[in-house]
Amino acid sequence: NAGVTQTPKFQVLKTGQSMTLQCAQDMNHEYMSWYRQDPGMGLRLIHYSVGAGITDQGEVPNGYNVSRSTTEDFPLRLLSAAPSQTSVYFCATRDSYSNQPQHFGDGTRLSIL
Amino acid sequence: DAKTTQPNSMESNEEEPVHLPCNHSTISGTDYIHWYRQLPSQGPEYVIHGLTSNVNNRMASLAIAEDRKSSTLILHRATLRDAAVYYCILRDVLVENAGNMLTFGGGTRLMVKP
Repeated sequence: NAGVTQTPKFQVLKTGQSMTLQCAQDMNHEYMSWYRQDPGMGLRLIHYSVGAGITDQGEVPNGYNVSRSTTEDFPLRLLSAAPSQTSVYFCATRDSYSNQPQHFGDGTRLSIL
Repeated sequence: DAKTTQPNSMESNEEEPVHLPCNHSTISGTDYIHWYRQLPSQGPEYVIHGLTSNVNNRMASLAIAEDRKSSTLILHRATLRDAAVYYCILRDVLVENAGNMLTFGGGTRLMVKP
């Protein structure tokens, strides 16, 4: 059981480039979300989805797009990378029952030069 | 979600119990207390959660004050592998429109000495 799989694990981009961070889960969870974690900080929510075809903004959505065409996948797109987006990105899932714990991937470490 | 306050860091000796405190004086009646931890270079990992009564699982125990304004995560015998940042988070079970948002503060960095 893989749980939550994030790819790639590491990526270096130049300012202005675009890319997609992948997140896949095999737990059939309805809820998925993307967080970013800057050095020495807690996690901040970027976007989330409560089911296929439904997405919404979190605390820091600017510069990022998401889509949810299947239950399993929730990709995060950087439209035009900026140095301020250098961070570690975590994908998380949970079951639809409100008090279930979240399951996190191991993260994608992204550097924007 | 209501705010939590935790010490920035704590130290413990290996094989000894560790008590990690969390203050949440503005907790509402529908807030559950969740604890997550984050080991170096990994994503956060769920530890335990509770509402009013003390809770135990294979990883830890959660002691909740009678007025619910504070709680303590207890690791019964710290190991080197328990060195991590521990986050205390309140989740209002009625707030479904926020999806699965967890509001992470700074957490407590636990250092375990051999």
